[in-house]
Amino acid sequence: NAGVTQTPKFQVLKTGQSMTLQCAQDMNHNSMYWYRQDPGMGLRLIYYSASEGTTDKGEVPNGYNVSRLNKREFSLRLESAAPSQTSVYFCASSGPELNTGELFFGEGSRLTVL
Amino acid sequence: QQPVQSPQAVILREGEDAVINCSSSKALYSVHWYRQKHGEAPVFLMILLKGGEQKGHEKISASFNEKKQQSSLYLTASQLSYSGTYFCGTVLIKAAGNKLTFGGGTRVLVKP
Repeated sequence: NAGVTQTPKFQVLKTGQSMTLQCAQDMNHNSMYWYRQDPGMGLRLIYYSASEGTTDKGEVPNGYNVSRLNKREFSLRLESAAPSQTSVYFCASSGPELNTGELFFGEGSRLTVL
Repeated sequence: QQPVQSPQAVILREGEDAVINCSSSKALYSVHWYRQKHGEAPVFLMILLKGGEQKGHEKISASFNEKKQQSSLYLTASQLSYSGTYFCGTVLIKAAGNKLTFGGGTRVLVKP
């Protein structure tokens, strides 16, 4: 049982390049999330998907797009990376209802934009 | 809207107690608590629900004051393993979907 799997774990980009962070969960969870965490800071919600086929903006959505490909997968895309997007990105899932269950996090993807 | 945590940091000796507070300016449906060790992903500790239901960790307790829109996490007889950064996350009553927003975190260091 892998839980939440994120790829890649590390990535270095140049300003203006694009990339997609992949996330998959094998727990049959309805809800999935993308957070970013800057050094010494808290977790800020980028986008979330309460169920398959829906996505909603979080606190810091600018510069990102997401796709809930199916119930298992939720990807995060940076169309034109900027140094301000240097961060650790965590994908998480929960289900069936957030308020009755915990959030399971992936190991994180460490992104550096030069 | 992010909840506000206090204090930002606390240093304890093994066996001492500490309280971490989390407050919101809006009505809360639930409060989540997570702990994160350096370089690792956050790990679930507990959920406190509107109406008083609580699920969580054996040795760490918490309270939820719905009227004041506040929650407190109690670290009792702290152990070295309690060191880490603690985050509260909140779900608002009128939030769309399952939107969980985290506070800025409280760094806890337990010394021998």
